[in-house]
Amino acid sequence: AQTVTQSQPEMSVQEAETVTLSCTYDTSESDYYLFWYKQPPSRQMILVIRQEAYKQQNATENRFSVNFQKAAKSFSLKISDSQLGDAAMYFCAYRSAPGTASKLTFGTGTRLQVTL
Amino acid sequence: EPEVTQTPSHQVTQMGQEVILRCVPISNHLYFYWYRQILGQKVEFLVSFYNNEISEKSEIFDDQFSVERPDGSNFTLKIRSTKLEDSAMYFCASSARQGFQPQHFGDGTRLSIL
Repeated sequence: AQTVTQSQPEMSVQEAETVTLSCTYDTSESDYYLFWYKQPPSRQMILVIRQEAYKQQNATENRFSVNFQKAAKSFSLKISDSQLGDAAMYFCAYRSAPGTASKLTFGTGTRLQVTL
Repeated sequence: EPEVTQTPSHQVTQMGQEVILRCVPISNHLYFYWYRQILGQKVEFLVSFYNNEISEKSEIFDDQFSVERPDGSNFTLKIRSTKLEDSAMYFCASSARQGFQPQHFGDGTRLSIL
């Protein structure tokens, strides 16, 4: 079974600064997908960014980018120019490739605080 | 933008009672999921549903749980005889396809068992 580990329960960043959230995972599969979801206090899970394991190029979505290291099984999220609205719980998630179970396996989350 | 809709937003139920949580997935989506999140813990997979049958279920999804797609739009989760430990946030999600297609989540139903 796959596992996802987020070793930082809480992180804090000043507005306009950059922060990196860590995520590692364990799998024996070679083809899979990785996601970062954001959960603000409103509780809705919002997709932030996603990465296909067979693509070496790191995904980027505006101020959000990932550092995907397949050999190290690491998938960190970098938030640049942090904004107050970025304050939320961030979950890293793993999903097997098509043709197999399609559930998301989540990490325990990192709570991000953004300060002035 | 299309959304996954869940009702009710908060459900309070006596232990031992049956509860039905409702979800309206995004209309052209084919895959449906239920997850739960006990307060302060991570989100856990319960069940996935495709082509009118369960694709996969977790250990949590025991005989007390069932899912149904009674018509072309709703997707329900039923807990037959609720326990105190069923208190959690329940999220419905849907996706157009498997794999890289993201799962879109609803706002969740907070279930409180007394």
